Amino acid sequence: EPEVTQTPSHQVTQMGQEVILRCVPISNHLYFYWYRQILGQKVEFLVSFYNNEISEKSEIFDDQFSVERPDGSNFTLKIRSTKLEDSAMYFCASTPETTEAFFGQGTRLTVV
Amino acid sequence: GENVEQHPSTLSVQEGDSAVIKCTYSDSASNYFPWYKQELGKRPQLIIDIRSNVGEKKDQRIAVTLNKTAKHFSLHITETQPEDSAVYFCAASIETGGSYIPTFGRGTSLIVHP
Repeated sequence: EPEVTQTPSHQVTQMGQEVILRCVPISNHLYFYWYRQILGQKVEFLVSFYNNEISEKSEIFDDQFSVERPDGSNFTLKIRSTKLEDSAMYFCASTPETTEAFFGQGTRLTVV
Repeated sequence: GENVEQHPSTLSVQEGDSAVIKCTYSDSASNYFPWYKQELGKRPQLIIDIRSNVGEKKDQRIAVTLNKTAKHFSLHITETQPEDSAVYFCAASIETGGSYIPTFGRGTSLIVHP
């Protein structure tokens, strides 16, 4: 069964450093998403991406965040200058033309 | 924007009992309501969903009901088993034939005691 894959599974970074979280969505999916989940809290939408551009973003997705689909298969989330409060599990998801988001296994980001 | 409230935050049941998790939403335009199960340290996985043109949907031991007038929907799990223990998230979204942005509830931690 096809899966969304994310790398790395864990990332520890110093405050102020840049991080790039990587995702490979399911190959025939058209819409891509990033979500985050702070420990013990709900899943929060960050951004959606379609046709090589951002289609929606939340208030969490400020100028420190950016997304890219550099090569037709990878989908990345960059955080330019990490803060302690960016520590969370980050989930990538993709959907075909209709609904049902398929989530990746997540990247646990720890900012120290 | 949409606001989804989910209750209870924790639900503890004995194996074999039923479990019910309830959610309310605020945006009457929402028309797609998925439920996700997240086991500890794992990804959320869709377990059942319902669209606003139906009031109930069943899949073996799980069922979801939707009351559009009251703007609430519920997940029902019958004959619970220890492997049902997980965090369950409801979500509400507007399905426009393409992208959808679900707003998630805060989650319910279901504990099934053997």
